[in-house]
Amino acid sequence: DIQMTQSPSTLSASVGDRVTITCRASQSISSWLAWYQQKPGKAPNLLIYEASSLESGVPSRFSGSGSGTQFTLTISSLQPDDFATYYCQHYSSYSPTFGQGTKVEIK
Amino acid sequence: QVQLVESGGGVVQPGRSLRLSCAASGFSFSSYGMHWVRQAPGKGLEWVAVMSYDGSNKYYADSVKGRFTISRDNSRNTLYLQMDSLRAEDTAVYYCAKDSILAAMSPHYFDYWGQGTLVTVSS
Repeated sequence: DIQMTQSPSTLSASVGDRVTITCRASQSISSWLAWYQQKPGKAPNLLIYEASSLESGVPSRFSGSGSGTQFTLTISSLQPDDFATYYCQHYSSYSPTFGQGTKVEIK
Repeated sequence: QVQLVESGGGVVQPGRSLRLSCAASGFSFSSYGMHWVRQAPGKGLEWVAVMSYDGSNKYYADSVKGRFTISRDNSRNTLYLQMDSLRAEDTAVYYCAKDSILAAMSPHYFDYWGQGTLVTVSS
């Protein structure tokens, strides 16, 4: 199975900061990568698909980039609503897997 | 609007069985693959299983292969997960999720999720 590794596991930031989360795949997944946001007690919410395509309704401060094995999720200016946990997920095989998550905390 | 409502969770003893259901509405259920994804308390997301839109293909995570069975009834717009030989490590919130791609035969990303149902395996 393809393993997904996110870094950092926890990130402390302030409102207005630019935040970058990295996701690395154990082998090439082309651009078959999605990003989700999850708040406590809620289901995940799709942010980005195909590595860089913004899901409808998601604020433009979220962006994704990368291909192959290295990917990033960037929040250009962190807002109070963005404090949450973020997960990457590959879908390049019959066994999709998630990264372990990155919790974005208030500094 | 798309709605996915899971049910069937609860407390069950190790080795016993449980069946989860996911009632779908607001989209053409028979045209999309459907997934189960779980999240153990305080842990990350783990994909569990997928069934293609027509029921012809199904895939499982290694951690549940041989114990869990995914199925669907397109006439009832309902997805199921039969969980047998349950273990303590199966304790989690189980989400059903809609695949994003129309009539796909392989998994993609998940564009809609249910609210989840909690399964606790404990003696």
